[in-house]
Amino acid sequence: DAKTTQPPSMDCAEGRAANLPCNHSTISGNEYVYWYRQIHSQGPQYIIHGLKNNETNEMASLIITEDRKSSTLILPHATLRDTAVYYCIVTTDSWGKLQFGAGTQVVVTP
Amino acid sequence: EPEVTQTPSHQVTQMGQEVILRCVPISNHLYFYWYRQILGQKVEFLVSFYNNEISEKSEIFDDQFSVERPDGSNFTLKIRSTKLEDSAMYFCATPMEVSKLRIYEQYFGPGTRLTVT
Repeated sequence: DAKTTQPPSMDCAEGRAANLPCNHSTISGNEYVYWYRQIHSQGPQYIIHGLKNNETNEMASLIITEDRKSSTLILPHATLRDTAVYYCIVTTDSWGKLQFGAGTQVVVTP
Repeated sequence: EPEVTQTPSHQVTQMGQEVILRCVPISNHLYFYWYRQILGQKVEFLVSFYNNEISEKSEIFDDQFSVERPDGSNFTLKIRSTKLEDSAMYFCATPMEVSKLRIYEQYFGPGTRLTVT
């Protein structure tokens, strides 16, 4: 599975959009981009996934560049409860193991 | 809202003792995973288990570890002789379909905090 690179941390003001970047320059054609988050030692939580099209659900939007070498997770209106570590994971096999990196620690401030 | 439960929420044990961590996954699932997270470190895959057999395991999952499905509804992770470095959060997870294209998320339980003294 391709590796990903994320900034270690970022701050976001409550109510503003949080844009979380992820580089996956070695991604292959059949690999999906998944985003999970982990709120303070709770179990990781699935947010969204995509292959090549932009995706949106009730939690977030996922923008994948045309060359698929990077993506951005957008939390449209960040709340204090969005403070968490966000993980970008690339994998071919949604049944298989997840390889977590260090992720991005997002702190939403009032 | 589906639910994965794990017991106990916190286990304290002495080095060398055996511990059994339990997970009740989303009902009727044959596939589940165990992960661990040492305090301050990343989440690490331990083992995946499908239809009563280990599907894949990591280097961490050595002979001290075992997984079982003792009955139809729950799964266990056993550590035979705990070491100090086994202190961690242990999470189980089961797949849940998120797309009609048979794409799955892994749905995690709340974890068991294991403290080895």
